[in-house]
Amino acid sequence: DAGITQSPRHKVTETGTPVTLRCHQTENHRYMYWYRQDPGHGLRLIHYSYGVKDTDKGEVSDGYSVSRSKTEDFLLTLESATSSQTSVYFCAISDSLTTDTQYFGPGTRLTVL
Amino acid sequence: GQQLNQSPQSMFIQEGEDVSMNCTSSSIFNTWLWYKQDPGEGPVLLIALYKAGELTSNGRLTAQFGITRKDSFLNISASIPSDVGIYFCAGRDDYKLSFGAGTTVTVRA
Repeated sequence: DAGITQSPRHKVTETGTPVTLRCHQTENHRYMYWYRQDPGHGLRLIHYSYGVKDTDKGEVSDGYSVSRSKTEDFLLTLESATSSQTSVYFCAISDSLTTDTQYFGPGTRLTVL
Repeated sequence: GQQLNQSPQSMFIQEGEDVSMNCTSSSIFNTWLWYKQDPGEGPVLLIALYKAGELTSNGRLTAQFGITRKDSFLNISASIPSDVGIYFCAGRDDYKLSFGAGTTVTVRA
């Protein structure tokens, strides 16, 4: 298994509070991605990173920000969580933008009350 | 993102059955991918298809890239209990993967 960990694995928070999810990899892969998974929608890309301090938006980026200060860590922040952001969040890594082998982390289940 | 329609949404299988699921899109993709997700884990890549008309197998799994580049199917032959899970199709457009909503496969009691 690719060395990807996500923390926390579960979180319950209240509307309006800031939340940060962490993705950590030990593979030294250049590209990292954040997805959210919701019933009926599959996985949708939130943001991705193509290197340290280099990030870009995906299809559902509103309400989310990311940062990547080190190769191994990619942080996803909800500045002010809303109930619509209740979801399961997956981090993925790959060593190429065009490779099909994105390795996924175990996921973080976030509930916003 | 692109809209992928995956069907069926769910299916029940009995051990030994062959099962089939498919994915269609309104847009053309250069690559079609099939992933499987077990409960509590992230998706894992099963098969990747790169050319229109391509038929690829991985053990008991067979997938095809449609001629129009707007569809793909996945077959599982002689299903076994560990085949249960959620199967996702995905189309790749440059760096982005667009996923279908998934097919949930459950063992019929």
